[in-house]
Amino acid sequence: EIVLTQSPGTLSLSPGERATLSCRASQSVSSSYLAWYQQKPGQAPRLLIYGASSRATGIPDRFSGSGSGTDFTLTISRLEPEDFAVYYCQQYGSSPRAFGQGTKVEIK
Amino acid sequence: QVQLVQSGAEVKKPGASVKVSCKVSGYTLTELSMHWVRQAPGKGLEWMGGFDPEDGETIYAQKFQGRVTMTEDTSTDTAYMELSSLRSEDTAVYYCATVGDGYNPWGQGTLVTVSS
Repeated sequence: EIVLTQSPGTLSLSPGERATLSCRASQSVSSSYLAWYQQKPGQAPRLLIYGASSRATGIPDRFSGSGSGTDFTLTISRLEPEDFAVYYCQQYGSSPRAFGQGTKVEIK
Repeated sequence: QVQLVQSGAEVKKPGASVKVSCKVSGYTLTELSMHWVRQAPGKGLEWMGGFDPEDGETIYAQKFQGRVTMTEDTSTDTAYMELSSLRSEDTAVYYCATVGDGYNPWGQGTLVTVSS
């Protein structure tokens, strides 16, 4: 069973700053099956990145994903006010299809 | 474009069962792989299970084995998730989501409250 650990738990930043979120897996994850989601209060998660680095339809290019094996990163190049939310990584290549525990990006 | 609309909020007593529905539009259910994820209040996302097209079977998280059943009615393009022997820890928002390149889209969520 693959366990995903996200860090940091909370990231306090100002609009315009760069955000770097980490997702580390306990075993190697095929890059084809690593996704990132954004969730705002009271809303369903929204897919941002799939296949470790491919942006989902309609996702702004300030969001980018990278990494392979056990270490993956979500980068938000310049934070917009609407980007303050919780972000989850997920591996969906093997069962159980685990999620990380989430990183909250909050306004500093 | 796939759209998922879930059934409304439920309040159940401990020991009861709940059945949440997820209606598909824009595609037929047979073209999709549907999974279920839940989120307890103030907590993270927890994968429950779903249809694995590679095996042609429904797979469940070990935590829910024996308590959860996921079914599909292809005549109405509706997926169902039934959870039995409910306890207070099952209070959560339950989401359906289609699986392809990531989980996308998601239903709007169904709040299930378990309380005596």
